[in-house]
Amino acid sequence: RKEVEQDPGPFNVPEGATVAFNCTYSNSASQSFFWYRQDCRKEPKLLMSVYSSGNEDGRFTAQLNRASQYISLLIRDSKLSDSATYLCVVNIAGGTSYGKLTFGQGTILTVHP
Amino acid sequence: SQTIHQWPATLVQPVGSPLSLECTVEGTSNPNLYWYRQAAGRGLQLLFYSVGIGQISSEVPQNLSASRPQDRQFILSSKKLLLSDSGFYLCAWSTTVGQPQHFGDGTRLSIL
Repeated sequence: RKEVEQDPGPFNVPEGATVAFNCTYSNSASQSFFWYRQDCRKEPKLLMSVYSSGNEDGRFTAQLNRASQYISLLIRDSKLSDSATYLCVVNIAGGTSYGKLTFGQGTILTVHP
Repeated sequence: SQTIHQWPATLVQPVGSPLSLECTVEGTSNPNLYWYRQAAGRGLQLLFYSVGIGQISSEVPQNLSASRPQDRQFILSSKKLLLSDSGFYLCAWSTTVGQPQHFGDGTRLSIL
């Protein structure tokens, strides 16, 4: 089983739609969780951290379910500029994985007019 | 504010040639530094990370090496490039363990 697993998509949605991505992780000792976005041929950029209580940043909402070991990202009112690859990222603190981030393969989102 | 600089942006090298990619961070002290590679259509693979000057941890066996000669400088090197070394190389920094990493613009390396 992969350490971080995402549905690769692609997700094709019209402008204004709501879209949700899920991500599962295998290591229950995971401590920190993030969503990054990566535009074509560009570096990944931090979109938001994911907190246990869930958090929202404008049109974006992130949720964490530790019991089921999954993270979700909800995008409301999709914009054309939201088209990108969304990376689920997990940090495991301690042991040989100390301080390292593990990246999912990414979910491709295309928002069309 | 903190910034990360990575160069060159693109590089075309023949097989067997050496490589040196440089990354510098400004606006912070003693950052954790990382080198990643992303092959075309693939995910990010951590190559090396460093928690301090002269301290390098290697994640995967390969013909690449890394060095950290100064607090905010991280260098990725190879003595002899292979075709399989082609990819998008990204440098990143974080303040400490558990904190998000911030990436440079990346170097797109093509081996001919």
